[in-house]
Amino acid sequence: AQSVTQLGSHVSVSEGALVLLRCNYSSSVPPYLFWYVQYPNQGLQLLLKYTSAATLVKGINGFEAEFKKSETSFHLTKPSAHMSDAAEYFCAVSDQNTGTASKLTFGTGTRLQVTL
Amino acid sequence: GAVVSQHPSWVICKSGTSVKIECRSLDFQATTMFWYRQFPKQSLMLMATSNEGSKATYEQGVEKDKFLINHASLTLSTLTVTSAHPEDSSFYICSARDLAWPLSSYEQYFGPGTRLTVT
Repeated sequence: AQSVTQLGSHVSVSEGALVLLRCNYSSSVPPYLFWYVQYPNQGLQLLLKYTSAATLVKGINGFEAEFKKSETSFHLTKPSAHMSDAAEYFCAVSDQNTGTASKLTFGTGTRLQVTL
Repeated sequence: GAVVSQHPSWVICKSGTSVKIECRSLDFQATTMFWYRQFPKQSLMLMATSNEGSKATYEQGVEKDKFLINHASLTLSTLTVTSAHPEDSSFYICSARDLAWPLSSYEQYFGPGTRLTVT
């Protein structure tokens, strides 16, 4: 069984400040990990994904995440927050050993607020 | 590329009626589509996995007879909420995987969601 824990349901940063959204996973097999962003009343947009290649993954909109196996973490960062980054962020894990259609298990989400 | 649409984007229906939600992959073929529901300020919960040409696989606790899923083609899956009740009010989101990508890609493309309100 897989699970994802996102620490902090709500994070507030100033515009221009570092963004750090935390994600820890639990998986009995090597995982694939994803970060998605959701704007109000919209679906999910993929920010980035880890699929057992480079541990430091760069995504869209200046976001990146680092897979740390020893810490079972996949934290999302962005050096400088922008007002348009305000949204809900979800971390998700997939079992890469699944033979059929893999299922995503989502964390509870972190709402990012960006203030002036 | 990899666009998924949902129709309608929102719907209001009376208790006891049925509502159909469509999920389409616009520029790719999808053998597998997923249906999620999301309550306000909560995460996405997988309801079922829809496979083209076969029966859907439902997650534990999801009523098969209430949430009917049909995946008749490689670009269309439908979710029908039968005999809807106010507690079925939620945001329903579908996703799809591109048939052209290898299984190892594991990427799902999400639709914009459908907000269902049952009065």
